[in-house]
Amino acid sequence: DVKVTQSSRYLVKRTGEKVFLECVQDMDHENMFWYRQDPGLGLRLIYFSYDVKMKEKGDIPEGYSVSREKKERFSLILESASTNQTSMYLCASSLSLYDRTSGNTIYFGEGSWLTVV
Amino acid sequence: DAKTTQPPSMDCAEGRAANLPCNHSTISGNEYVYWYRQIHSQGPQYIIHGLKNNETNEMASLIITEDRKSSTLILPHATLRDTAVYYCIVGMNSGNTPLVFGKGTRLSVIA
Repeated sequence: DVKVTQSSRYLVKRTGEKVFLECVQDMDHENMFWYRQDPGLGLRLIYFSYDVKMKEKGDIPEGYSVSREKKERFSLILESASTNQTSMYLCASSLSLYDRTSGNTIYFGEGSWLTVV
Repeated sequence: DAKTTQPPSMDCAEGRAANLPCNHSTISGNEYVYWYRQIHSQGPQYIIHGLKNNETNEMASLIITEDRKSSTLILPHATLRDTAVYYCIVGMNSGNTPLVFGKGTRLSVIA
């Protein structure tokens, strides 16, 4: 089974802190994604990456950056955390956007609940 | 923006079939229909996807209308553990376009 592991399930950080959310997948997937989920707003895509060292902005990239130095690892960075970034963050991966049988089937991690105080 | 329309909530009696509808009238010819679900406080879970033919797996069946403008996810014998938010998504099966999640349908299975 595909496993997407997010390093922290619950975090509490102070306003202005730099925050790293780490995600690792074990199935050699090419694509990785970071979403955030807020009540009433559903899942919103922050950034995604379809290759090592590649990144693409999603719908709400402001205030975030990402890093993908290795294929299996995708990090989300909050350069200076703010209270409006309190949310549940979900990492996901998919095999390949060019694999026609399962290319866009996405596998999610369990989520990281971040509270910024 | 999501390209699908789903009812915000539905109830289903335990043991009965749960039929979750989805409208996707603007679907293009090479877009697939995907279904995911999210149980409270967990990440979304892939259920099934299809292009034009009906599909079935161990979790559910997907019925897509002939004109592909709507589909129905069927959970044949709903259990309490099927209580979740169900997302219907249309998107490409290849290319650089990630799936866009809408707000889904909150299914409550009632004993």
